[in-house]
Formats: sequence, C-alpha cells, structure tokens
Amino acid sequence: EADIYQTPRYLVIGTGKKITLECSQTMGHDKMYWYQQDPGMELHLIHYSYGVNSTEKGDLSSESTVSRIRTEHFPLTLESARPSHTSQYLCASYGQGTDTQYFGPGTRLTVL
Amino acid sequence: SQQGEEDPQALSIQEGENATMNCSYKTSINNLQWYRQNSGRGLVHLILIRSNEREKHSGRLRVTLDTSKKSSSLLITASRAADTASYFCATGRGSNYKLTFGKGTLLTVNP
Repeated sequence: EADIYQTPRYLVIGTGKKITLECSQTMGHDKMYWYQQDPGMELHLIHYSYGVNSTEKGDLSSESTVSRIRTEHFPLTLESARPSHTSQYLCASYGQGTDTQYFGPGTRLTVL
Repeated sequence: SQQGEEDPQALSIQEGENATMNCSYKTSINNLQWYRQNSGRGLVHLILIRSNEREKHSGRLRVTLDTSKKSSSLLITASRAADTASYFCATGRGSNYKLTFGKGTLLTVNP
C-alpha cells in the first residue's frame, strides 16, 4: 500500500466555488502527477511536477492549476468550479527504484 | 491520440477460470505496465514489463509483450471474486516518466 493521500475523498459543491484538492505523499518522491478520470474511462494526465517549484501541463487541457512548494505536497485548485469539472481526480507519485507510479485513492468531485 | 487500448472492454467469468486481457498501443515504448482499479478507488500497480522482455510472471499474473505487434496480454489464472476490478495497461515513453493509459477492461469474477 502506497503512502499517498488525497482529501477530500468526495466533494459536492455549487457552480462558481473555488476548491482545492489536496495530495500528499510521504515517500520523498520528486515526481508527482494529477489525472482526471470519468466513470468507466481512461485516465488523462492534466498536470505533473518533477520537483519543488516545477509544474507542467499534461496531455489533457484543464482549467485547474497546481503548485509544488514542498516535495510532499501537490495541491490542485479550481478557481471557479463548473459542472463540466465533475469527475474523479487521481494523484500519483513516481518511485525511481521501482519505475512505477503510486496512486492515491482519488477525489470524486461533483459540481452542481 | 490514445496510446493504449484494452480488449475486451468487459469480461465476466466464473471463479476458478482464467482471465485474459489484451492491450494494443501505437508508438514505441520503454515499458508497459498493468494496473488494477477497484470501483471508486485509486490504481494499484500490478506488474511492469520492459520493451526488451517478452514474458513476466508475478504470482497468478502472467504478462506478455510483443513489440513487433505493439501488443501485450495479461493473464490472471485461477481467478477469485476479489479479482473483480478494472484493469488498465499503461505505456511509458521516453525518459519523462509519464504514462499513457488505455480505457481498461472491467473484469467481473462470479463466485
């Protein structure tokens, strides 16, 4: 079981609200990722980071933003949530020794 | 465009039977990985096979890779109800540690 955590697990909010999804890992991994996944569909990479103060946009365009001020913390923010943002958001970190990504449990976001 | 694509999209079998899932991809890869996702949860890494390997085993899992056909298969032997989940293949390209995932195969193992 990987030591990567996401909060909240479920979030239901109204349109226009600002939200921050939290992701933290205790494995000291430099590389972290955010994926977006609709039910029954593939994961799409929306943001990634190779270390502190490094953030890049992923393959799928997203209105969200991320920051990486500390190695263990990689929060994702939506300034003004819309129903089209309803999805599951998965955070992951990369383990150099195993060459694999470790995933958090995900945050299921519903915007009304 | 999507890199990995699993086949079938859904598979339903009885406990004790073997389950085979296939993955095809389009461009050259460094490695191919299989992940499992229980309903509403995050992904759990199962097995990684590198581009210079043809077959790999881990417990009840057997993965093959055919780079000439750009395809991989995941075999789960003697399936259990607890194996019920979605299974995704993911391809790693270049040295940037990013993965591209397929749409997954939903496996249902009936007791």
